Amino acid sequence: RKEVEQDPGPFNVPEGATVAFNCTYSNSASQSFFWYRQDCRKEPKLLMSVYSSGNEDGRFTAQLNRASQYISLLIRDSKLSDSATYLCVVRYYNFNKFYFGSGTKLNVKP
Amino acid sequence: DGGITQSPKYLFRKEGQNVTLSCEQNLNHDAMYWYRQDPGQGLRLIYYSQIVNDFQKGDIAEGYSVSREKKESFPLTVTSAQKNPTAFYLCASSSKREGRLSYNEQFFGPGTRLTVL
Repeated sequence: RKEVEQDPGPFNVPEGATVAFNCTYSNSASQSFFWYRQDCRKEPKLLMSVYSSGNEDGRFTAQLNRASQYISLLIRDSKLSDSATYLCVVRYYNFNKFYFGSGTKLNVKP
Repeated sequence: DGGITQSPKYLFRKEGQNVTLSCEQNLNHDAMYWYRQDPGQGLRLIYYSQIVNDFQKGDIAEGYSVSREKKESFPLTVTSAQKNPTAFYLCASSSKREGRLSYNEQFFGPGTRLTVL
């Protein structure tokens, strides 16, 4: 079983739509959670960290559910520029290693 | 500007050759990491280092070697023993959380695309 699992998509949505991605993780000892964005043939870039109480950054909202071991990312009012692959990342406290999901591809259409 | 640099951007290797990928950071980060990404796949950890002169194998270390002689530098050698080296290689670094044993988020270099001819 993979450490971190994501729906690969693609999610095809019109501009202005709201879209949500989920990600599940297998190890309950997971300590930190992040969402990264990766454009085609580029390096991943940090989108936002995910805090236990949930957090928001502009049009982006991240939530963590430790009991069910999943995190989510909500994007409101989608822009064309949001088209990318979104990677869910989990860090385990004991090993200081980061585990990456395979990513969810988002295509925002005009 | 602070950041992580990787070179070269593109690298072509003949079968049987060893090649070394460079990774340098001026962020004063303690930890550095090497990942491999194949098309449509997630990142897989090759090696990581938390302090100078020490490093640990990741999930796919076979056929790779690293060194950490300086805090700023973490070069990766892809040896001829690596059977399928064509991939996108990403270097990352992270800082230690103040007063704690754990680490903050990772920052990535622009990557090196390695192709075996």
